[in-house]
Amino acid sequence: TQLLEQSPQFLSIQEGENLTVYCNSSSVFSSLQWYRQEPGEGPVLLVTVVTGGEVKKLKRLTFQFGDARKDSSLHITAAQPGDTGLYLCAGRRAGGTSYGKLTFGQGTILTVHP
Amino acid sequence: DAMVIQNPRYQVTQFGKPVTLSCSQTLNHNVMYWYQQKSSQAPKLLFHYYDKDFNNEADTPDNFQSRRPNTSFCFLDIRSPGLGDAAMYLCATSNTRIPTDTQYFGPGTRLTVL
Repeated sequence: TQLLEQSPQFLSIQEGENLTVYCNSSSVFSSLQWYRQEPGEGPVLLVTVVTGGEVKKLKRLTFQFGDARKDSSLHITAAQPGDTGLYLCAGRRAGGTSYGKLTFGQGTILTVHP
Repeated sequence: DAMVIQNPRYQVTQFGKPVTLSCSQTLNHNVMYWYQQKSSQAPKLLFHYYDKDFNNEADTPDNFQSRRPNTSFCFLDIRSPGLGDAAMYLCATSNTRIPTDTQYFGPGTRLTVL
């Protein structure tokens, strides 16, 4: 059972377009992190969100954490070819036997064409 | 400045020949993780160290072992690599295991098994 459903799995757009990637779960997360990964490299942290309803902006990237802390979205405005990569959402849960293990979504492969 | 360093970046080994991958960190974090990532998939946690306490994931094969001789270094040993073990191996660290704490990834080691 996939705890974090990330969509879409693939996204191919033209430079200048906007896009949104979604990360959804039926579980509550204490925090959620977004990473971007280029081929042959490790994931690079973009943002961590911890508060329900939180919105964070990083230049053209806007991250939202749902009020109930079960979902998150990443919105990119005016995408550029340099945004191309694998985007991963990953959440950490509290309670039970979980020690805050990072649970990853399936990832979104974004390709931005010039 | 690099915070999580992995060596080598690329490793080629032969089927069945033991191999060791290295990770070091300058963050003085208590927790170090090893993940396996196959092409265009999300990272899969193999195990982690919380200080000197080793925590194995239930589905990690016995073929994979780890050592953490001190706070800064952690090693991944693959005792008898098979073709299915070819992957990117990622090391990550976090200061604590509390769910709001961020994990930072290294650049990865790409393992090829011939």
